[in-house]
Amino acid sequence: AQKVTQAQTEISVVEKEDVTLDCVYETRDTTYYLFWYKQPPSGELVFLIRRNSFDEQNEISGRYSWNFQKSTSSFNFTITASQVVDSAVYFCALSEPYNFNKFYFGSGTKLNVKP
Amino acid sequence: DTAVSQTPKYLVTQMGNDKSIKCEQNLGHDTMYWYKQDSKKFLKIMFSYNNKELIINETVPNRFSPKSPDKAHLNLHINSLELGDSAVYFCASSGPILPQFFGPGTRLTVL
Repeated sequence: AQKVTQAQTEISVVEKEDVTLDCVYETRDTTYYLFWYKQPPSGELVFLIRRNSFDEQNEISGRYSWNFQKSTSSFNFTITASQVVDSAVYFCALSEPYNFNKFYFGSGTKLNVKP
Repeated sequence: DTAVSQTPKYLVTQMGNDKSIKCEQNLGHDTMYWYKQDSKKFLKIMFSYNNKELIINETVPNRFSPKSPDKAHLNLHINSLELGDSAVYFCASSGPILPQFFGPGTRLTVL
């Protein structure tokens, strides 16, 4: 069965610290997609990144970077030089592309960035 | 410009009432979804429609009835509301391998 685990319930850091949010997934599919979403205090769900199972290249977007490792079934998210505006709940998700793109969300990690 | 919109944003009602939440997307996607987010932020899929056809129904009480008049709209009707229905309900849409794009959410409070 598909499953996404975000073991870190809540993380607190001080501004400018680097922080890594962990995501571990389980699937028997060989083709799948992984996602990260951000939910700021205002409540909307914002798409951050999509990765397919055949592309293990790390990705960097500004202060954000993602490390996808199939060997450990992990898709971790690092924020470099965190800022107060990064405070949010971050969700990792796994999709079943052959099942109408059904998503399996992790339970989320709440990130508190203090000034 | 809004990609996925939901109305209303807030809904406060008494136990036992019936209420509806509407969702519209202008992204041209074939698939739409309803999620429930509880107070612990856990996101649980409820339903999904593809081209007006129900394709995912995740053991939701039959007091919840989705309706899709066309592929751009997916509404959620809830009968006989209970305290436990209080949550934020999100609508989303996507294409086959695309990200799901979410609406702003509807915060339902049942008193």
